Amino acid sequence: ETGVTQSPTHLIKTRGQQVTLRCSSQSGHNTVSWYQQALGQGPQFIFQYYREEENGRGNFPPRFSGLQFPNYSSELNVNALELDDSALYLCASSGSREYNEQFFGPGTRLTVL
Amino acid sequence: DQQVKQNSPSLSVQEGRISILNCDYTNSMFDYFLWYKKYPAEGPTFLISISSIKDKNEDGRFTVFLNKSAKHLSLHIVPSQPGDSAVYFCAASGMNRDDKIIFGKGTRLHILP
Repeated sequence: ETGVTQSPTHLIKTRGQQVTLRCSSQSGHNTVSWYQQALGQGPQFIFQYYREEENGRGNFPPRFSGLQFPNYSSELNVNALELDDSALYLCASSGSREYNEQFFGPGTRLTVL
Repeated sequence: DQQVKQNSPSLSVQEGRISILNCDYTNSMFDYFLWYKKYPAEGPTFLISISSIKDKNEDGRFTVFLNKSAKHLSLHIVPSQPGDSAVYFCAASGMNRDDKIIFGKGTRLHILP
């Protein structure tokens, strides 16, 4: 059974640029959630995708957007990057029955200069 | 406004002793509570959960206690082992699929030899 994978591992961008982060969910999982974890903070919910539809969103501006594909992998896109977007971005997948018990990937460390 | 609070940023416990990590929440609509463990450079790993209809859930060395009237939960680890040194996140959500999971800021546990 393959776990949750994320790419890239690290990324450096400059203010105003756009970034796409990728996530492959664990085998058999149809729900993907994205979180932003700033230094010294817990993960903060960005949004969730269930069967290719957005299924809940946290307090993040519209420049944070996402997609889920038929194979349940997912992308997080962030436009017009700001310095405060520097954080660890975590993807988590879950199955139909235990959708609260999410399995996390290792994260993508984004640095915005 | 933090809905899930972990007031101890760090905790040191002697190997073999009991580790007790505490968590408070403010939202009485939370129905489901989870603990995650995080090692450096890895994503959080699901540890144990409890629903609001229970007051205790045990899994091996890990036990979670829930006191709904006090809006407080705790994670007990007995006996503590060196591999337990990590950051522990308390999290809470509703029972519906589109209820987001709210994380605390985490407590860093150090197991001393």
